[in-house]
Amino acid sequence: EIVMTQSPATLSVSPGERATLSCRASQSVSSNLAWYQQKPGQTPRLLIYGASTRATGIPARFSGSGSGTEFTLTISSLQSEDFAVYYCQQYNNWPPLTFGGGTKVEIK
Amino acid sequence: EVQLVESGGGLVKPGGSLRVSCAASGFTFSSYSMNWVRQAPGKGLEWVSSISSSSSYIYYADSVKGRFTISRDNAKNSLYLQMNSLRAEDTAVYYCARMQVRGMNWGQGTLVTVSS
Repeated sequence: EIVMTQSPATLSVSPGERATLSCRASQSVSSNLAWYQQKPGQTPRLLIYGASTRATGIPARFSGSGSGTEFTLTISSLQSEDFAVYYCQQYNNWPPLTFGGGTKVEIK
Repeated sequence: EVQLVESGGGLVKPGGSLRVSCAASGFTFSSYSMNWVRQAPGKGLEWVSSISSSSSYIYYADSVKGRFTISRDNAKNSLYLQMNSLRAEDTAVYYCARMQVRGMNWGQGTLVTVSS
């Protein structure tokens, strides 16, 4: 099973600042990595797939990078609606599909 | 537009059973593997089970193996999860999900609460 590790667990950021979230895989997942945003009481929302491709309707301030075992989600200028929990997920070698533990982006 | 609509959640006593369902539309259901993913209150996302398009291949997380059964009816565009011997730690929102190279499509989820 591929273990996904996200850091930090919590990120405190002021509106307008940049946020950088990390995700590490225990073995290579190539570029088969997705990022999701989840707000309280809501379903996860796909942001990024293929490590760096924005899903339909996702603002350009969200960008993904990396391949192999190291990945980054960057939010260039945080808006109020971006405060949420973010999960990475590998789909290179499944089942099982595996998710990181999440990074909570909170208002500083 | 892909739509996944779960139903069947509710309150069940420890040791009890429940079947949750997922109605799919907006894509050729019979061509895709399907999954159940759950999320316990305040916790992260956990993959539960997968079934291939023709039901030939079925997989379970160790935490549910021997207790849960995934199935599908391609004629009805429906996915199911039969949950037996339920435990308090099975309390979660259960999501029906389609995994593809462009990421995962999710249903809105159905809440299963296991409590006496």
